[in-house]
Amino acid sequence: EVQLLESGGGLVQPGGSLRLSCAASGFTFSTSAMSWVRQAPGRGLEWVSGVSGGETTTFYADSVKGRFTISRDNSKNTLYLQMNSLRAEDTAVYYCAKGGGGNFYPSYWGQGTLVSVSS
Amino acid sequence: SYELTQPPSVSVSPGQTARITCSGDALPKKYAYWYQQKSGQAPVLVIYEDSTRPSGIPERFSGSSSGTMATLTISGAQVEDEADYYCFSGDSSGNHRVFGGGTKLTVL
Repeated sequence: EVQLLESGGGLVQPGGSLRLSCAASGFTFSTSAMSWVRQAPGRGLEWVSGVSGGETTTFYADSVKGRFTISRDNSKNTLYLQMNSLRAEDTAVYYCAKGGGGNFYPSYWGQGTLVSVSS
Repeated sequence: SYELTQPPSVSVSPGQTARITCSGDALPKKYAYWYQQKSGQAPVLVIYEDSTRPSGIPERFSGSSSGTMATLTISGAQVEDEADYYCFSGDSSGNHRVFGGGTKLTVL
């Protein structure tokens, strides 16, 4: 059974940093593309970033490019999202998602972790 | 930036067919994916690669794509299908992935 468990969310001041983690199990993590998707309160889904299984390819939404960095540790079956220069508009539930069929479309989702950016 | 456009809301009576559309310039060349999100829950994939249903998804869910529009069809919608539905795809360059704005399906 695919399991994705996000952690690292919390309250942070504007301009601050936070690192999210996603512990994966139940599938071959090292060959799976992974993504982060966020959802602001009362809003729709926004794809944030994706990384290929071998970490050779990464993608970012324009809204986070230059501020967020996606990475993975295949020895620990863990996905990360380093978030710097956080803004109020980054407040959202952040979901970790497993890519399907070797692609970046989310096939399985974690339950999410809440990031709140406020002074 | 690339956008996928969905109607904000669709309403049907139980047993009727619900159709939710998603339009995007790159859809003739890119697959569409569909997600169901019930209140307070994580999204669930209901259709991938335009028209394939994952295991465990009821047969009443189907997908199609023609030109710049993809469609999610729920045949014989049930009350438990009430949810927000999102399409997902990529732009023609392959560098961006986006979700549509979401469609709230009401079944009553």
